[in-house]
Amino acid sequence: DIQMTQSPSSLSASVGDRVTITCRASQTINSYLNWYQQKPGKAPKLLIFAASSLQSGVPSRFSGSGSGTDFTLTISSLQPEDFATYYCQQSYSKEYTFGQGTELEIK
Amino acid sequence: QVRLQESGPGLVKPSETLSLTCTVSGGSITSYYWSWIRQPPGKGLEWIADIYSNGSPYYNPSLKSRVIISIDTSKNQFSLRLSSVTAADTAVYYCARESRDGYNYWFDPWGQGTLVTVSS
Repeated sequence: DIQMTQSPSSLSASVGDRVTITCRASQTINSYLNWYQQKPGKAPKLLIFAASSLQSGVPSRFSGSGSGTDFTLTISSLQPEDFATYYCQQSYSKEYTFGQGTELEIK
Repeated sequence: QVRLQESGPGLVKPSETLSLTCTVSGGSITSYYWSWIRQPPGKGLEWIADIYSNGSPYYNPSLKSRVIISIDTSKNQFSLRLSSVTAADTAVYYCARESRDGYNYWFDPWGQGTLVTVSS
C-alpha cells in the first residue's frame, strides 16, 4: 500500500500566522491527493481535492500544491476556527490511505 | 444537499459481528461509490471498503477477510459487516460518498460518525 507521511505531527501557531503542512507519499501519486480538516467530535471536512483545487465554500486562505510525492497545505493567515487536525489522503491506489494527521494548536 | 447517517449498535461483544447501515438522503445512491472509514479513539483515519451503486465492492486488504459491504439502492442504504471483532476494532465508523475528478477520488460528504465499542 502507499504510505502517506505528514509533517509535522503537531504544530503550534498564532492567529494571523502563515502555516504550511507537508504530506509525502511513499511512491508517486500524480496529483491524486486530497486534504481534510477535522475538529474534535466531528467528521472530517474536505478542503482541497486533486492537490490544489479548493472545495466550494472553503475560504481562500487555504491552498494546496504539489505533485508526484510531495504536497503542501498552506493556510495564509490563521483564523481561530482553523485550529484543528488536518489529514491528507491519496487515491492513486484504490487502497485509499491517509496521513497520520497534523494537529494545529493555538500558541 | 446529500446527507449520510450511520446507524447500528454502539456496543459489540468480542468475536461477534459488527453491523452498520448508512442511509443516504437528499440525493440518489446510484452512480456513485460509497465508503466506510473508521477512526480509533485518538488516532487517524483508516479506509475500510467501498461499493459502487451496481454492487461492486472493494476492500482494504488488511480487513478483507472479515468485511462485507453491501448496497440496497431501493432503500438508498449501504451497509458494513465486520466479523470476529476485537478491542482493536473499537472506533468511530463513518460512511462517506466518493466524488471524483478524472481518476482522483475524495470523500465528501461524510456522515456524522457512530462510535462502536467492542467489549464484553
